[in-house]
Amino acid sequence: AQSVTQPDIHITVSEGASLELRCNYSYGATPYLFWYVQSPGQGLQLLLKYFSGDTLVQGIKGFEAEFKRSQSSFNLRKPSVHWSDAAEYFCAVVTTTNAGKSTFGDGTTLTVKP
Amino acid sequence: SQTIHQWPATLVQPVGSPLSLECTVEGTSNPNLYWYRQAAGRGLQLLFYSVGIGQISSEVPQNLSASRPQDRQFILSSKKLLLSDSGFYLCATTGDRGAEQYFGPGTRLTVT
Repeated sequence: AQSVTQPDIHITVSEGASLELRCNYSYGATPYLFWYVQSPGQGLQLLLKYFSGDTLVQGIKGFEAEFKRSQSSFNLRKPSVHWSDAAEYFCAVVTTTNAGKSTFGDGTTLTVKP
Repeated sequence: SQTIHQWPATLVQPVGSPLSLECTVEGTSNPNLYWYRQAAGRGLQLLFYSVGIGQISSEVPQNLSASRPQDRQFILSSKKLLLSDSGFYLCATTGDRGAEQYFGPGTRLTVT
């Protein structure tokens, strides 16, 4: 069965600094890959997605993610973090062998220092 | 694009009481629908999913059940709540590719 690992439970960055959130997956083939963001007390919002093709994908709110097949990774990046980016971030995969169901990582909580 | 409604937004229920959470979807037809639970400070646990009216698949054995009486309505129920049922319940559907998910605003359930 596939699995998703987000190694960092909590990350703190200063406003204006760059950000990278890590995501690794375990699956025999290339899955569909996603990043979601959740503000406190709210539902999850899709940030970006990768199905195939260009391994660098752009998302909303200035986020991007790079798929690296050799490392089974799909790390999320942002060049300059804003205070409003403070939230919880989830990486997820969907595989053809799992009836289209998403498998989520445990999430990374981002704190932004002023 | 899809819009997902959930109600109530918050709920406080005593142990042993029944539960009914409702989710409705607009802007799509015959959607795949999902119920997730998110315990405090933890990730998402898939509880149920449905690919059509009356078709429910359970992911985790528990005292919860789900029903889909209409194409765009998904209900999560319990006959007797446990303390461990407390959490944030999210309803979701899939996008056009059947992969990315779109979530409702959630219901915060506290069992006392």
